[in-house]
Amino acid sequence: GAVVSQHPSRVICKSGTSVKIECRSLDFQATTMFWYRQFPKQSLMLMATSNEGSKATYEQGVEKDKFLINHASLTLSTLTVTSAHPEDSSFYICSAPPTLDSRGEKLFFGSGTQLSVL
Amino acid sequence: GDSVTQMEGPVTLSEEAFLTINCTYTATGYPSLFWYVQYPGEGLQLLLKATKADDKGSNKGFEATYRKETTSFHLEKGSVQVSDSAVYFCALSISGGYQKVTFGTGTKLQVIP
Repeated sequence: GAVVSQHPSRVICKSGTSVKIECRSLDFQATTMFWYRQFPKQSLMLMATSNEGSKATYEQGVEKDKFLINHASLTLSTLTVTSAHPEDSSFYICSAPPTLDSRGEKLFFGSGTQLSVL
Repeated sequence: GDSVTQMEGPVTLSEEAFLTINCTYTATGYPSLFWYVQYPGEGLQLLLKATKADDKGSNKGFEATYRKETTSFHLEKGSVQVSDSAVYFCALSISGGYQKVTFGTGTKLQVIP
């Protein structure tokens, strides 16, 4: 089946540094990629939707200048957490639909990135 | 807004035990309901789904029935195996041309031999 490869799986960084997370669709083209984050004991929350060749759409309350999303090709989307702070420590996960599916049934997920900011 | 509430884990069971993971939801429209599973080191995978009231989704021995009257979608399996150890996420999606899936917090299941 379709695979989404996400790297790194775990990253520890110092406060104030930037961290880039990559998601690649390995055997299909992803014109859209969804980025989620999950704080401990909370739900996976949609942060933003990235679209190949255009600006990302951010959910309410998500700072677009802090969470930079680039979707430069049909197989790669990146999320950069700029000037990370301890409160950004979270589990980040991407997902992509290989085909348009409004009911979310054919979403393929990366394995997630656990970010810890010291 | 839409939300999903599922039981907190971790849940620890012996092999061949009966499993129930509770899930309830609130939604403004008529949602489709899903269970996703995440095995260690892998991404979330769709386990089963139900798109309307009284539908039963099933896969790999797992079942869940869409109960509109109780707004629930509990996950069950009659006899769990060690290989079922994973994190299970209940989720819903409202159709409307925009793929927005609302997830629960996830329930970690550990099955011991």
